Amino acid sequence: QSALTQPASVSGSPGQSITISCTGTSSDVGGYNYVSWYQQHPGKAPKLMIYGVTNRPSGVSYRFSGSKSGNTASLTISGLQAEDEADYYCSSYTPNSTLGFGGGTRLTVL
Amino acid sequence: QVQLVQSGAEIKKPGSSVKVSCKASGGTFSSYVFSWVRQAPGQGLEWMGRIIPVLPITSYAQRFQGRVMITADKSPTTAYMELSSLRSEDTAVYYCATEGDDNQMTNWGQGTLVTVSS
Repeated sequence: QSALTQPASVSGSPGQSITISCTGTSSDVGGYNYVSWYQQHPGKAPKLMIYGVTNRPSGVSYRFSGSKSGNTASLTISGLQAEDEADYYCSSYTPNSTLGFGGGTRLTVL
Repeated sequence: QVQLVQSGAEIKKPGSSVKVSCKASGGTFSSYVFSWVRQAPGQGLEWMGRIIPVLPITSYAQRFQGRVMITADKSPTTAYMELSSLRSEDTAVYYCATEGDDNQMTNWGQGTLVTVSS
């Protein structure tokens, strides 16, 4: 059982925007600004897309953005492209200096 | 840019141990924090633990406490993850990653498939 809750799947058409949620508790997502988001294509290692809730690493498209409200963090992808089709995982700092992941969300670009 | 290169695939018997290595280049030893993450076939990511080699300090996920040991060598800069008392459910791809100040995993190894089978 994952520490954080994500929807199993989301979908959108090219050019549209989608949002993936990541719900935790006041002890993890709500308590710290240490939420990250990862993209994973089949057979590949995960890739960091967002860190510190809203920060985008160098080289990651501006179409990816992060936010947080209370115990729920969100990843928004605007201007969907076919290459965005992948699995997305959130992670958060949790008590006792550990990390937790969400169960993952499969994004389908229709 | 930090690069992480992991050791090759392993096949292990139930009850045995496996040790996976992760060699880092492109950074400095004092700046590294290594995390280990695993992914069972068709499943999600699972954080196992981390080491801050320069201190050294380790932290482990509760479900792996007592069964996992993460260590590191300075020269060459290499992190290791040893998992003992293997069972079939430990069959997974094991990744090492460098962890940043916001607990983000910025650089990832290519992954090591560990298969546990009798």
